[in-house]
Amino acid sequence: SQQGEEDPQALSIQEGENATMNCSYKTSINNLQWYRQNSGRGLVHLILIRSNEREKHSGRLRVTLDTSKKSSSLLITASRAADTASYFCAPLNFGNEKLTFGTGTRLTIIP
Amino acid sequence: EADIYQTPRYLVIGTGKKITLECSQTMGHDKMYWYQQDPGMELHLIHYSYGVNSTEKGDLSSESTVSRIRTEHFPLTLESARPSHTSQYLCASTDRLNTEAFFGQGTRLTVV
Repeated sequence: SQQGEEDPQALSIQEGENATMNCSYKTSINNLQWYRQNSGRGLVHLILIRSNEREKHSGRLRVTLDTSKKSSSLLITASRAADTASYFCAPLNFGNEKLTFGTGTRLTIIP
Repeated sequence: EADIYQTPRYLVIGTGKKITLECSQTMGHDKMYWYQQDPGMELHLIHYSYGVNSTEKGDLSSESTVSRIRTEHFPLTLESARPSHTSQYLCASTDRLNTEAFFGQGTRLTVV
């Protein structure tokens, strides 16, 4: 199995601004998922993008996937204080892979 | 709303005690996972299971053990708790294709 590497490790922005975080991985995948973790809680699934998709939207979230560069990005538009959390990506290849996570991006929204 | 539950939510226990952290899910998921996470740090996979009577150790060595006698239940046991076991333990489950993982609220364990 592989885990994604999120970048940057930490990001602070003003409320209302857009936040972008990136994920890189090493081997081929058939889907990549993004999760959010609020302080001290379990992770919450945000969005899944398949390897044959280039972009996907869900509310204020926009995810892109570039399989040639083995990278993905998560864009949160019009950030809110409630978006303060850690964000993790999970690149996966087929169903028998273990679900592992990297260190995440810690996002802080400044009111 | 995720149908995966962890108990207890918080536990403070003395060194040397035996403890079991409970994790149950009602979604019929085959795959279940246990992670260990210190505050602000990454999640470390310590155990996983792909179905009944199937358990494997994860990437981080752990003195804990797990069992999977029923699909819905994946308890984690520490035979003799030590201060180094102080951490948060997160349980998760997914379907066969890992399309979406559901996490419990976590158990914050403190060993004194």
